[in-house]
Amino acid sequence: QAQFVQSGPEVKKPGASVTVSCKASGYTFTTYLIHWVRQAPGQGPEWMGWIDPGRARTKYSQRFQDRVTFSSNTSASSVYLDLSSLKSEDTAVYYCARGGFFSVNGFDIWGQGTMVTVSS
Amino acid sequence: QSALTQPASVSGSPGQSITISCTGTNSDIGAYDYVAWYQQHPGEAPKVIIYDVTKWPSGISKRFSGSKSGNTASLTISGLQAEDEADYYCSSYTSGKSPYVFGTGTRVIVL
Repeated sequence: QAQFVQSGPEVKKPGASVTVSCKASGYTFTTYLIHWVRQAPGQGPEWMGWIDPGRARTKYSQRFQDRVTFSSNTSASSVYLDLSSLKSEDTAVYYCARGGFFSVNGFDIWGQGTMVTVSS
Repeated sequence: QSALTQPASVSGSPGQSITISCTGTNSDIGAYDYVAWYQQHPGEAPKVIIYDVTKWPSGISKRFSGSKSGNTASLTISGLQAEDEADYYCSSYTSGKSPYVFGTGTRVIVL
């Protein structure tokens, strides 16, 4: 059964950086894109980008492309999100999600989410 | 890239049908048949219930159905049940600067 397990909650100060990890299991890790989606409290989801974990190709939302980096470690079946220059507006739950199983859109497997709180 | 527009809330009684609209532009919903719908219960991750406008992932109830006309997609829930009370988000592929956009979200309330 395919699943993602993400790293635990983080509390950071403004200007700091955060790394969130997402470990895949139950399917061939390199077959599908993995997307990162965040959701601020009381808000809808916001797409941040995707990574092709086998080839480390990435596509970032223009909104984050100056501050975000995705990486992958195939031996650990894990992907990572690094977000720098944190602001209070970055307080959100960050999810990894699998794309491409059905079609271009429709993410079928999601991690449990990682709460990132940015506060002085 | 602006979020797709959804009504803030829709309510209905058990057994009734309700419809949630999702309005975009001719760069997203109007341009592609890549609309997905997600159900999200409090404290949980979103769950895809419709993809490619009308298709169901395995295990999803056929009480959920999707459609599209022009720049507006719709999700209909038939035979409303208490367990359907949740937040629902649409999403579309887009030719904009970022290839995916989500909706503002609709809270479904079962009376």
